[in-house]
Amino acid sequence: DQQVKQNSPSLSVQEGRISILNCDYTNSMFDYFLWYKKYPAEGPTFLISISSIKDKNEDGRFTVFLNKSAKHLSLHIVPSQPGDSAVYFCAASVMDSNYQLIWGAGTKLIIKP
Amino acid sequence: EPEVTQTPSHQVTQMGQEVILRCVPISNHLYFYWYRQILGQKVEFLVSFYNNEISEKSEIFDDQFSVERPDGSNFTLKIRSTKLEDSAMYFCASRRGQGPDTQYFGPGTRLTVL
Repeated sequence: DQQVKQNSPSLSVQEGRISILNCDYTNSMFDYFLWYKKYPAEGPTFLISISSIKDKNEDGRFTVFLNKSAKHLSLHIVPSQPGDSAVYFCAASVMDSNYQLIWGAGTKLIIKP
Repeated sequence: EPEVTQTPSHQVTQMGQEVILRCVPISNHLYFYWYRQILGQKVEFLVSFYNNEISEKSEIFDDQFSVERPDGSNFTLKIRSTKLEDSAMYFCASRRGQGPDTQYFGPGTRLTVL
């Protein structure tokens, strides 16, 4: 039951360019979406979130876009920096489920110098 | 900056033994969660806890699991009789209040069942 999908296991981007990470979901009841960054042997670190009533949220170098009709969201990182190399997880939640997070499989982002 | 802490960072146990994983959520948070990630797999929800009771649990969270908030600061996950397949990273998370907001995660406990 893959309600949240990240179809790219890995992505390699040149330093200074834009990184675009994608996420698709199937459950139309999801009303809150989050992106987390994770280094090996550490817990997920919150990056940015978006409510289903919005289609864009920006925080510094990070922007999340939500396309509800396509059930798709994306995380844009610009410019990409070496410290951005990590695994990025998309997660979604539903109010009625006490906001338990349903996770994608993650995308490993590698920033090349 | 407040953070969620977890102890121990690594726990090794024999199959059939009981383990208790400990978490200290962020102090003004009201909702608490446990997740786990088996090596190479997705992060999976286990249980949510609010107002001193379980508010939601997954199919994974069977009778061998229990959670407790014994003293108003710690939040514990007990596994009564560990199995090999319980080996995973266990993450605690907390969030402040009602409505959609961010869950903040601890660094995790790596549980190895031999």
